[in-house]
Amino acid sequence: EPEVTQTPSHQVTQMGQEVILRCVPISNHLYFYWYRQILGQKVEFLVSFYNNEISEKSEIFDDQFSVERPDGSNFTLKIRSTKLEDSAMYFCASRGGAGNTEAFFGQGTRLTVV
Amino acid sequence: RKEVEQDPGPFNVPEGATVAFNCTYSNSASQSFFWYRQDCRKEPKLLMSVYSSGNEDGRFTAQLNRASQYISLLIRDSKLSDSATYLCVVNIATGGFKTIFGAGTRLFVKA
Repeated sequence: EPEVTQTPSHQVTQMGQEVILRCVPISNHLYFYWYRQILGQKVEFLVSFYNNEISEKSEIFDDQFSVERPDGSNFTLKIRSTKLEDSAMYFCASRGGAGNTEAFFGQGTRLTVV
Repeated sequence: RKEVEQDPGPFNVPEGATVAFNCTYSNSASQSFFWYRQDCRKEPKLLMSVYSSGNEDGRFTAQLNRASQYISLLIRDSKLSDSATYLCVVNIATGGFKTIFGAGTRLFVKA
Protein backbone atom coordinates (compact mmCIF):
# COMPACT_ATOMS: atom_id res chain seq x y z
CA GLU A 1 0.00 0.00 0.00
CA PRO A 2 1.41 3.43 -0.92
CA GLU A 3 2.45 5.51 2.04
CA VAL A 4 3.89 8.87 2.98
CA THR A 5 7.40 8.55 4.37
CA GLN A 6 9.22 11.05 6.53
CA THR A 7 12.85 11.33 7.56
CA PRO A 8 14.38 11.53 10.03
CA SER A 9 12.06 10.01 12.61
CA HIS A 10 13.73 12.06 15.34
CA GLN A 11 15.89 15.16 15.05
CA VAL A 12 17.63 16.91 17.90
CA THR A 13 19.00 20.35 17.19
CA GLN A 14 20.41 23.31 19.05
CA MET A 15 18.43 26.50 19.32
CA GLY A 16 19.20 28.83 16.43
CA GLN A 17 20.19 26.05 14.05
CA GLU A 18 18.47 25.36 10.75
CA VAL A 19 16.66 22.07 10.24
CA ILE A 20 15.17 20.45 7.17
CA LEU A 21 12.46 17.87 7.56
CA ARG A 22 11.92 15.60 4.60
CA CYS A 23 8.85 13.91 3.23
CA VAL A 24 8.12 11.71 0.25
CA PRO A 25 4.39 11.96 -0.48
CA ILE A 26 2.39 9.27 -2.23
CA SER A 27 3.56 9.36 -5.83
CA ASN A 28 0.42 10.41 -7.73
CA HIS A 29 -0.82 12.84 -5.10
CA LEU A 30 -1.15 16.52 -5.91
CA TYR A 31 -1.68 18.29 -2.58
CA PHE A 32 0.89 18.34 0.17
CA TYR A 33 0.72 19.54 3.73
CA TRP A 34 2.76 20.06 6.85
CA TYR A 35 1.23 19.90 10.30
CA ARG A 36 2.73 20.06 13.72
CA GLN A 37 1.64 18.66 17.05
CA ILE A 38 3.18 19.91 20.25
CA LEU A 39 3.19 17.16 22.87
CA GLY A 40 -0.23 16.82 24.43
CA GLN A 41 -1.83 19.35 22.12
CA LYS A 42 -3.87 19.27 18.94
CA VAL A 43 -2.68 18.76 15.39
CA GLU A 44 -2.11 22.23 13.88
CA PHE A 45 -2.14 23.10 10.20
CA LEU A 46 1.03 24.82 8.98
CA VAL A 47 0.92 24.98 5.19
CA SER A 48 -0.56 23.47 2.06
CA PHE A 49 1.24 23.21 -1.27
CA TYR A 50 -0.16 22.64 -4.73
CA ASN A 51 1.18 23.12 -8.23
CA ASN A 52 4.60 24.08 -6.90
CA GLU A 53 3.42 26.88 -4.70
CA ILE A 54 1.97 27.52 -1.28
CA SER A 55 -1.81 27.60 -1.50
CA GLU A 56 -2.58 28.25 2.15
CA LYS A 57 -0.62 28.88 5.33
CA SER A 58 -1.45 29.44 8.96
CA GLU A 59 -0.28 32.18 11.29
CA ILE A 60 2.22 29.71 12.72
CA PHE A 61 3.98 29.51 9.36
CA ASP A 62 6.02 32.70 9.68
CA ASP A 63 9.20 33.80 7.93
CA GLN A 64 11.22 31.18 9.81
CA PHE A 65 9.47 28.44 7.84
CA SER A 66 9.70 27.54 4.19
CA VAL A 67 8.67 24.61 2.03
CA GLU A 68 10.06 23.23 -1.16
CA ARG A 69 9.46 20.44 -3.61
CA PRO A 70 12.91 20.37 -5.13
CA ASP A 71 12.79 17.33 -7.36
CA GLY A 72 9.22 16.23 -7.94
CA SER A 73 9.27 13.59 -5.22
CA ASN A 74 10.55 15.14 -2.00
CA PHE A 75 8.63 17.76 -0.06
CA THR A 76 10.67 19.56 2.58
CA LEU A 77 9.99 21.85 5.51
CA LYS A 78 12.82 24.13 6.55
CA ILE A 79 12.97 25.95 9.84
CA ARG A 80 15.65 28.62 9.54
CA SER A 81 16.51 29.41 13.14
CA THR A 82 14.90 26.98 15.53
CA LYS A 83 13.42 28.05 18.85
CA LEU A 84 12.66 25.94 21.88
CA GLU A 85 8.95 26.24 21.15
CA ASP A 86 9.45 24.62 17.74
CA SER A 87 9.87 21.30 19.54
CA ALA A 88 7.00 19.17 18.31
CA MET A 89 6.02 16.28 16.09
CA TYR A 90 5.87 17.40 12.47
CA PHE A 91 3.57 15.46 10.16
CA CYS A 92 3.64 15.55 6.41
CA ALA A 93 0.46 14.62 4.54
CA SER A 94 -0.62 14.27 0.96
CA ARG A 95 -3.93 14.13 -0.80
CA GLY A 96 -4.74 12.74 -4.19
CA GLY A 97 -7.01 15.31 -5.76
CA ALA A 98 -9.29 18.25 -5.29
CA GLY A 99 -12.55 18.04 -3.44
CA ASN A 100 -13.39 15.40 -1.02
CA THR A 101 -10.41 13.14 -0.76
CA GLU A 102 -8.83 12.35 2.57
CA ALA A 103 -5.25 13.14 3.57
CA PHE A 104 -2.72 10.42 4.30
CA PHE A 105 -0.10 11.09 6.92
CA GLY A 106 3.51 10.14 7.34
CA GLN A 107 4.69 8.77 10.65
CA GLY A 108 6.10 12.13 11.65
CA THR A 109 9.42 13.63 12.62
CA ARG A 110 9.91 14.38 16.27
CA LEU A 111 11.89 17.62 16.49
CA THR A 112 13.57 18.43 19.78
CA VAL A 113 15.21 21.83 20.11
CA VAL A 114 17.64 22.10 23.01
CA ARG B 1 -14.82 30.67 17.36
CA LYS B 2 -12.65 27.65 16.53
CA GLU B 3 -13.07 26.25 13.05
CA VAL B 4 -13.59 22.73 14.36
CA GLU B 5 -14.69 22.04 17.93
CA GLN B 6 -14.87 18.80 19.82
CA ASP B 7 -15.49 17.79 23.40
CA PRO B 8 -11.98 16.85 24.59
CA GLY B 9 -13.28 14.20 27.00
CA PRO B 10 -11.86 11.96 28.25
CA PHE B 11 -14.61 9.41 27.83
CA ASN B 12 -14.10 6.43 30.10
CA VAL B 13 -16.35 3.53 29.11
CA PRO B 14 -16.49 -0.21 29.81
CA GLU B 15 -16.00 -2.77 27.08
CA GLY B 16 -19.18 -3.32 25.13
CA ALA B 17 -20.52 0.18 25.71
CA THR B 18 -21.82 2.49 23.03
CA VAL B 19 -20.19 5.91 22.91
CA ALA B 20 -20.91 8.97 20.79
CA PHE B 21 -18.65 11.86 19.86
CA ASN B 22 -19.79 15.19 18.51
CA CYS B 23 -18.08 17.83 16.47
CA THR B 24 -19.13 21.22 15.14
CA TYR B 25 -17.53 23.28 12.41
CA SER B 26 -17.90 26.97 11.72
CA ASN B 27 -16.66 27.57 8.18
CA SER B 28 -19.41 27.40 5.57
CA ALA B 29 -16.75 26.61 2.94
CA SER B 30 -16.24 23.23 4.61
CA GLN B 31 -16.65 20.63 1.93
CA SER B 32 -15.70 17.23 3.23
CA PHE B 33 -15.52 15.62 6.59
CA PHE B 34 -13.66 12.78 8.20
CA TRP B 35 -13.00 11.03 11.44
CA TYR B 36 -9.38 10.14 12.11
CA ARG B 37 -7.98 8.11 14.93
CA GLN B 38 -4.69 8.94 16.62
CA ASP B 39 -2.88 6.61 18.97
CA CYS B 40 -0.40 8.03 21.45
CA ARG B 41 2.65 9.49 19.67
CA LYS B 42 1.52 8.15 16.29
CA GLU B 43 0.27 9.80 13.15
CA PRO B 44 -3.44 10.36 12.56
CA LYS B 45 -5.04 7.60 10.51
CA LEU B 46 -8.28 7.79 8.62
CA LEU B 47 -11.12 6.01 10.37
CA MET B 48 -13.90 6.94 7.99
CA SER B 49 -15.24 9.63 5.74
CA VAL B 50 -18.53 11.26 6.67
CA TYR B 51 -21.30 11.59 4.11
CA SER B 52 -24.49 13.61 4.23
CA SER B 53 -26.58 10.46 4.07
CA GLY B 54 -24.74 8.96 7.02
CA ASN B 55 -22.49 5.96 6.71
CA GLU B 56 -21.58 2.90 8.66
CA ASP B 57 -18.45 0.77 8.81
CA GLY B 58 -18.86 -2.19 11.11
CA ARG B 59 -19.27 -0.88 14.65
CA PHE B 60 -18.75 2.73 13.58
CA THR B 61 -21.45 5.08 12.32
CA ALA B 62 -20.81 8.63 11.15
CA GLN B 63 -23.38 11.31 10.48
CA LEU B 64 -23.29 14.80 9.06
CA ASN B 65 -25.82 17.58 9.47
CA ARG B 66 -24.82 20.39 7.12
CA ALA B 67 -27.62 22.70 8.27
CA SER B 68 -26.40 22.52 11.86
CA GLN B 69 -22.75 22.17 10.87
CA TYR B 70 -22.48 19.13 13.07
CA ILE B 71 -20.74 15.77 12.70
CA SER B 72 -21.03 12.73 14.91
CA LEU B 73 -19.34 9.39 15.40
CA LEU B 74 -21.00 6.47 17.16
CA ILE B 75 -18.98 3.47 18.32
CA ARG B 76 -20.97 0.40 19.29
CA ASP B 77 -19.71 -2.56 21.33
CA SER B 78 -16.51 -0.77 22.35
CA LYS B 79 -13.30 -2.79 22.40
CA LEU B 80 -10.16 -2.18 24.44
CA SER B 81 -8.40 -1.49 21.15
CA ASP B 82 -10.74 1.44 20.47
CA SER B 83 -8.87 3.43 23.13
CA ALA B 84 -7.38 6.37 21.25
CA THR B 85 -7.99 10.01 20.42
CA TYR B 86 -10.66 10.60 17.78
CA LEU B 87 -10.13 13.60 15.56
CA CYS B 88 -12.86 15.39 13.67
CA VAL B 89 -11.35 16.66 10.42
CA VAL B 90 -12.73 19.10 7.87
CA ASN B 91 -11.53 20.02 4.38
CA ILE B 92 -12.12 23.70 3.72
CA ALA B 93 -12.03 25.12 0.20
CA THR B 94 -10.41 28.56 0.29
CA GLY B 95 -8.98 28.86 -3.18
CA GLY B 96 -6.63 26.16 -2.06
CA PHE B 97 -7.69 23.38 0.25
CA LYS B 98 -6.77 23.13 3.86
CA THR B 99 -7.52 20.33 6.24
CA ILE B 100 -8.35 21.43 9.76
CA PHE B 101 -8.33 19.15 12.78
CA GLY B 102 -10.39 19.36 15.88
CA ALA B 103 -8.51 19.04 19.16
CA GLY B 104 -9.65 15.45 19.49
CA THR B 105 -11.73 13.46 21.92
CA ARG B 106 -9.88 11.03 24.13
CA LEU B 107 -11.50 7.61 24.63
CA PHE B 108 -10.48 5.05 27.24
CA VAL B 109 -12.18 1.66 27.05
CA LYS B 110 -11.75 -0.41 30.20
CA ALA B 111 -12.11 -4.14 30.77
